[in-house]
Amino acid sequence: DGGITQSPKYLFRKEGQNVTLSCEQNLNHDAMYWYRQDPGQGLRLIYYSQIVNDFQKGDIAEGYSVSREKKESFPLTVTSAQKNPTAFYLCASSALPGQGARTEAFFGQGTRLTVV
Amino acid sequence: DAKTTQPTSMDCAEGRAANLPCNHSTISGNEYVYWYRQIHSQGPQYIIHGLKNNETNEMASLIITEDRKSSTLILPHATLRDTAVYYCIVRSIGTASKLTFGTGTRLQVTL
Repeated sequence: DGGITQSPKYLFRKEGQNVTLSCEQNLNHDAMYWYRQDPGQGLRLIYYSQIVNDFQKGDIAEGYSVSREKKESFPLTVTSAQKNPTAFYLCASSALPGQGARTEAFFGQGTRLTVV
Repeated sequence: DAKTTQPTSMDCAEGRAANLPCNHSTISGNEYVYWYRQIHSQGPQYIIHGLKNNETNEMASLIITEDRKSSTLILPHATLRDTAVYYCIVRSIGTASKLTFGTGTRLQVTL
């Protein structure tokens, strides 16, 4: 089945350690997105990518880094520079306009990161 | 992308229609209105989208005003499983764009 997969579902790390969250999709989507969600809040955009080897900062990119070496994969690294990394992280993908495909975004089930 | 404004929360009795409003007064001509919902601790789920005509699918109906400055998502017969946070998003389709969410409306469906 086509879809978008985030792993792991729960992740614990010690303060000061970098951690990488995985996001893989087999929907052949060009665009991929990373969001952060804090309790009771909406989704805030961290980074997005429209094509392999290219990505743009979202609204809260500080303390995060991404790579897009393959179309299917868009890993997010939470670095030690991120002051409050504990949050729920969501990855999404969508087709680009003009590709004849539906353009709604599909979301993974999220990774809940706890830094202690 | 244009900014959207939604009420923070709404209640609806089970079996009744839930009408969720969204204001997007700065929407431009090449921007679509998308609706998603998020059930607690899950990834958001796409519901419906439209440009200027009203749209209906198996989940909901979308009514967009003629001036396109606001829209209403209608769940015709709300059930307890429709309890969720509903997000209204405006997204440019002219070029690929970032997908920006607001704070959404928390819909509580009650018996």
